[in-house]
Amino acid sequence: NAGVMQNPRHLVRRRGQEARLRCSPMKGHSHVYWYRQLPEEGLKFMVYLQKENIIDESGMPKERFSAEFPKEGPSILRIQQVVRGDSAAYFCASSPLRGGTNEQFFGPGTRLTVL
Amino acid sequence: QKEVEQNSGPLSVPEGAIASLNCTYSDRGSQSFFWYRQYSGKSPELIMFIYSNGDKEDGRFTAQLNKASQYVSLLIRDSQPSDSATYLCAVKSSGANNLFFGTGTRLTVIP
Repeated sequence: NAGVMQNPRHLVRRRGQEARLRCSPMKGHSHVYWYRQLPEEGLKFMVYLQKENIIDESGMPKERFSAEFPKEGPSILRIQQVVRGDSAAYFCASSPLRGGTNEQFFGPGTRLTVL
Repeated sequence: QKEVEQNSGPLSVPEGAIASLNCTYSDRGSQSFFWYRQYSGKSPELIMFIYSNGDKEDGRFTAQLNKASQYVSLLIRDSQPSDSATYLCAVKSSGANNLFFGTGTRLTVIP
């Protein structure tokens, strides 16, 4: 039973480029959450999605960041025109029920480095 | 602002001892509480969750919840060097979609 999958595991971008991070939830899970972890800081919620719907994006920066979870394929977190402050570990989690009533399981993360 | 507070540590205990990790939260509407373990450079791994006041035991781990005091703790009995990691407390409020995380407590178990 495959867990949450994320790719790439490491991503290096230069300032101004775009970063695309992918997440496939656990089998049977239809709820996806994205979190960001800055060095020496806790995990911060960014966005919660179900298939084809953004349910809660209250933690997303207003500019440059977007997320989607299409009917087919993985969820994608997109960061346009990256800046050095975007360097962080980005984790995706999935849960089987609405609102994460059940526990959330995390993927291995994507470590983004902006040069 | 919903806040989750943890002592950042580091907390050092000798092998075989009991490690006690504590967490307080500010939102009285919080209903679900989770403990995650995170090894350096790795992703958070769920250890336990608790919803009701009292104790919940799973192997060497015991989670304790006191909603009146807005306090949740994790006890690790017979600590092993492999338990050395950062332990994250996470809280889910009623009606919220996401988890609010503390900054974690770094535990070192000394052989």
